[in-house]
Amino acid sequence: DIVMTQSPSSLAVSAGETVTINCKSSQSLFGSVRQKNYLAWYQQKPGQSPKLLIYLASTRESGVPDRFIGSGSGTDFTLTISSVQAEDLANYYCQQYYDTLLTFGSGTKLEIK
Amino acid sequence: QVQLQQSGAELAKPGSSVKISCKASGYTFTSYYISWIKQTTGQGLEYIGYINTGSGGTNYNEKFKGKATLTVDKSSSTAFMQLSSLTPDDSAVYYCARGELPPLYWGQGVMVTVSS
Repeated sequence: DIVMTQSPSSLAVSAGETVTINCKSSQSLFGSVRQKNYLAWYQQKPGQSPKLLIYLASTRESGVPDRFIGSGSGTDFTLTISSVQAEDLANYYCQQYYDTLLTFGSGTKLEIK
Repeated sequence: QVQLQQSGAELAKPGSSVKISCKASGYTFTSYYISWIKQTTGQGLEYIGYINTGSGGTNYNEKFKGKATLTVDKSSSTAFMQLSSLTPDDSAVYYCARGELPPLYWGQGVMVTVSS
């Protein structure tokens, strides 16, 4: 199984600040055929299902605000949320889909001060 | 619009089984697999496996073989997951998701509580 290690487990920021969440995979997620990284980011608000934010490491899903930015390649990835809003209070998860056995990071809880 | 409507919460006794459903609408059911995901506070999100909604073929995470059984009813565009020999460790929220990668459409989740 591909192990996804996510950090930090939680963080608290004030509205308007920039947040960085890290995700490291136990093996490369770079597919040589399509030359893409098979890494997604999800946002899960309390009581809701996970919502896809980013796929292929850096492509925003339709309707996702451009303050959500995914970056990275190979085994190291980052989700940056610029100018955090109160509505961004949620848990964030990375997920690899390089392997058919999908695996997720342990999550990052974002709190707004 | 694409929707995955899951069945209601379940309270089950240890050793029993439950069968939860996931009814799809807004797209051609057999064009996408259905995946199942378990979420607990302690273990986070775990992938259980998927079912090919056209052929009924399945692929399970080794961890859930013998625990979860995935089936479909094409006539009603519904996928099912049966969980057997329940223990308290099976208490969780279970999601179905449409099978594109990565999963974009998720059901609302079913809370399963195993308690005597």
